[in-house]
Amino acid sequence: DIQMTQSPSSLSASVGDRVTITCRASQTIISYLNWYQQKPGKAPKLLIYAASSFQGGVPSRFSGSGSGTDFTLTISSLQPEDFATYYCQQSYSTPYTFGQGTKLEIK
Amino acid sequence: QVQLVQSGAEVKKPGASVKVSCKTSGYTFTGNYMHWVRQAPGQGLEWMGWINPNSGDTNYAQKFQGRVTMTRDTSISTAYMELSGLRSDDTAVYYCARGWELNWFDPWGQGTLVTVSS
Repeated sequence: DIQMTQSPSSLSASVGDRVTITCRASQTIISYLNWYQQKPGKAPKLLIYAASSFQGGVPSRFSGSGSGTDFTLTISSLQPEDFATYYCQQSYSTPYTFGQGTKLEIK
Repeated sequence: QVQLVQSGAEVKKPGASVKVSCKTSGYTFTGNYMHWVRQAPGQGLEWMGWINPNSGDTNYAQKFQGRVTMTRDTSISTAYMELSGLRSDDTAVYYCARGWELNWFDPWGQGTLVTVSS
């Protein structure tokens, strides 16, 4: 199975900050990397697919980059509604695996 | 709009089975795979498998092989996930999610909490 490792596991930041979350795969996954946002008690919501493609309706302050084994999700200017947990997911091979999550909290 | 509406919460005893439904609307049910993902309390996301609603073909994560069965009823645009031999560590929220060509998931159902307790 492909292991996905996110860092950091948690992060405190302020409104307006630029934040970067990283995701590393245990082997190459080319660009088969997706990012989700999950708020407490809610289902995950797709933000970015195929490493850098925007899902419709997602604010442009979210961006994704990377290929191979190393990927990043960047939020250019944090808004109050962005405080949530973020997960990466590889869709290169089954079983599709997720990172352990990054909890983004208000400083 | 696209909607995936799941069945309600369940409480089961160890060793029992549970069947969760995922009723879809707003798109062609047979046009996308349906994936199932679960999340134990306070934990991360775990992919369980997919079903091709068009053919009925399935692909299960090895961890769940022999215990999970994914089916569909195309006449009512509904997918099902049945998990047998329930244990306490199967307590989780179970989600269905529509799959796309490179296996990203969007949207997700609202989730179904399955509690396994004696």
